[in-house]
Amino acid sequence: GDSVTQMEGPVTLSEEAFLTINCTYTATGYPSLFWYVQYPGEGLQLLLKATKADDKGSNKGFEATYRKETTSFHLEKGSVQVSDSAVYFCALSDQNWNNFNKFYFGSGTKLNVKP
Amino acid sequence: NAGVTQTPKFRVLKTGQSMTLLCAQDMNHEYMYWYRQDPGMGLRLIHYSVGEGTTAKGEVPDGYNVSRLKKQNFLLGLESAAPSQTSVYFCASRFRGIVQPQHFGDGTRLSIL
Repeated sequence: GDSVTQMEGPVTLSEEAFLTINCTYTATGYPSLFWYVQYPGEGLQLLLKATKADDKGSNKGFEATYRKETTSFHLEKGSVQVSDSAVYFCALSDQNWNNFNKFYFGSGTKLNVKP
Repeated sequence: NAGVTQTPKFRVLKTGQSMTLLCAQDMNHEYMYWYRQDPGMGLRLIHYSVGEGTTAKGEVPDGYNVSRLKKQNFLLGLESAAPSQTSVYFCASRFRGIVQPQHFGDGTRLSIL
């Protein structure tokens, strides 16, 4: 079945450091891939998405490229800020045998950015 | 544009009490979901709905019931609350289609004493 695996946290970085959060997936079809961010005390917000192989999603300085050959969708940012401290979830959307769209979330990676 | 609104935001219950959490969306989404989020455990799907009048079980449905009588509302019920149901509950909705993301509410923080 489909699944999403992302690196365990917490990830602790200093401000202006480079960020990578790894995400790999298993899917039976041709999924769409998403990154969500959850700030403390809030719900999940869509950060970026990619709907086909080699697509690059980007938003607020974050980027992720849909790599079908390595089944990966790693999140990157060149220079993190304290305000980026949050939990990041990788997710995929796929279609199962009865044409129903299924959504799968990774377990989340907590990012702490220190000044 | 309110998006996904959850009511209430906080609640404290005693063991054995019942309550209903309300989720309302104004985006005309077909699909709606209820999740629970516990510390260090990510999101777990409780129930979901693919349209008005239809519901289905997710991975942790025991102790919960749902109803979707109107397209814009998805209700989650706890018939007899237990301490193990202390959690943060999130509702989400989306359009049908692989490329469509889920949109989340701000959550309901529920404590069962």
